[in-house]
Amino acid sequence: DTAVSQTPKYLVTQMGNDKSIKCEQNLGHDTMYWYKQDSKKFLKIMFSYNNKELIINETVPNRFSPKSPDKAHLNLHINSLELGDSAVYFCASSSAGSSYEQYFGPGTRLTVT
Amino acid sequence: GENVEQHPSTLSVQEGDSAVIKCTYSDSASNYFPWYKQELGKGPQLIIDIRSNVGEKKDQRIAVTLNKTAKHFSLHITETQPEDSAVYFCAASKPGGGNKLTFGTGTQLKVEL
Repeated sequence: DTAVSQTPKYLVTQMGNDKSIKCEQNLGHDTMYWYKQDSKKFLKIMFSYNNKELIINETVPNRFSPKSPDKAHLNLHINSLELGDSAVYFCASSSAGSSYEQYFGPGTRLTVT
Repeated sequence: GENVEQHPSTLSVQEGDSAVIKCTYSDSASNYFPWYKQELGKGPQLIIDIRSNVGEKKDQRIAVTLNKTAKHFSLHITETQPEDSAVYFCAASKPGGGNKLTFGTGTQLKVEL
């Protein structure tokens, strides 16, 4: 059973397009996250949601809009894609609060041409 | 904000040798320090973590040590095997930060036969 799943795994699109990445977790966790991993493998948090409420927003351009329909899902919508958005995006989840283990999904490789 | 530095960026060892990866953090309020292993094309996988009330933790061939005074923590892998080859990331988080993980820059570990 997949704990944290993401779709699609690969996404190739042109500049200016709008795209979405979906994430689902079946761990019963209350908190979900989006991380971006750049070409140098650097991992940086973008957002976190706790029970559908935005908790962390790390100065991400407002072209990026997370949406959490319920606590098991956190989707990422990106408007007006730019070349610099090309990266691997990881979803993660954890129990609510601090110092809890975060479990990552398999990632979505986004390529903007 | 928190800054996590990780060294070395690449590490090559012979099978059976030990490998040590070191991280330093800047925020003395940080109290949770996980280590992740990322294999090619996959998401980061939590392999071990340590909290600030503990100085050392061991799980089979993997151990982590924490020096709160010096603000550094290390990952030790003994009896390395080819399947240990991957990128390893350290991270830190602190209470009240929404469980935000600040990652180090990663270490590419290669275990040679």
